[in-house]
Amino acid sequence: DAMVIQNPRYQVTQFGKPVTLSCSQTLNHNVMYWYQQKSSQAPKLLFHYYDKDFNNEADTPDNFQSRRPNTSFCFLDIRSPGLGDAAMYLCATSRDVRTPSTDTQYFGPGTRLTVL
Amino acid sequence: AQKVTQAQTEISVVEKEDVTLDCVYETRDTTYYLFWYKQPPSGELVFLIRRNSFDEQNEISGRYSWNFQKSTSSFNFTITASQVVDSAVYFCALSESLSGNTPLVFGKGTRLSVIA
Repeated sequence: DAMVIQNPRYQVTQFGKPVTLSCSQTLNHNVMYWYQQKSSQAPKLLFHYYDKDFNNEADTPDNFQSRRPNTSFCFLDIRSPGLGDAAMYLCATSRDVRTPSTDTQYFGPGTRLTVL
Repeated sequence: AQKVTQAQTEISVVEKEDVTLDCVYETRDTTYYLFWYKQPPSGELVFLIRRNSFDEQNEISGRYSWNFQKSTSSFNFTITASQVVDSAVYFCALSESLSGNTPLVFGKGTRLSVIA
């Protein structure tokens, strides 16, 4: 089945040690998103790619970077994780954000990041 | 600015009871889209419904139904004959499509617990 896949599902890293989370999709969607969701909070958009165009939210810390080498894959790099970066990281895709009929975002299962 | 309010933080019901989750939104656009997502304990955000601002017809899908009322800026979600598997956090979200790369704005979510 077409889907959004995130690996790993659980990631443990040490304070300050770089970590990369991955997302892949078989939906052939143009847009990919990364969200951060802390406990008992709503998902918060970090950035998104429209094809190769990168769009950063204004309040996303510089510590967070992203790469999208091709349509199917997108990576979230946290350069120096702090304790406050422990959260669920959700990847989502949508077909095309610029069409009048806003496309639904489909989410992956998330990666739960623990920072020790 | 867009805003989504889910006033109910937590709701508990006994199995087979009906339950309504409230969602009130604010937007200045005439064209916008409303969504409901379910987040079970596993963490994945599951898409339930999308509704555009020009379609005020109520929708029913099995035990789920949605009541969209522009006059009160509300998009409420009712689960009929609730089941334990309905236990999850439910998020209402809003997107304004014609503004370009607009993010999905989530409410804070309502945690529903269905007790057997």
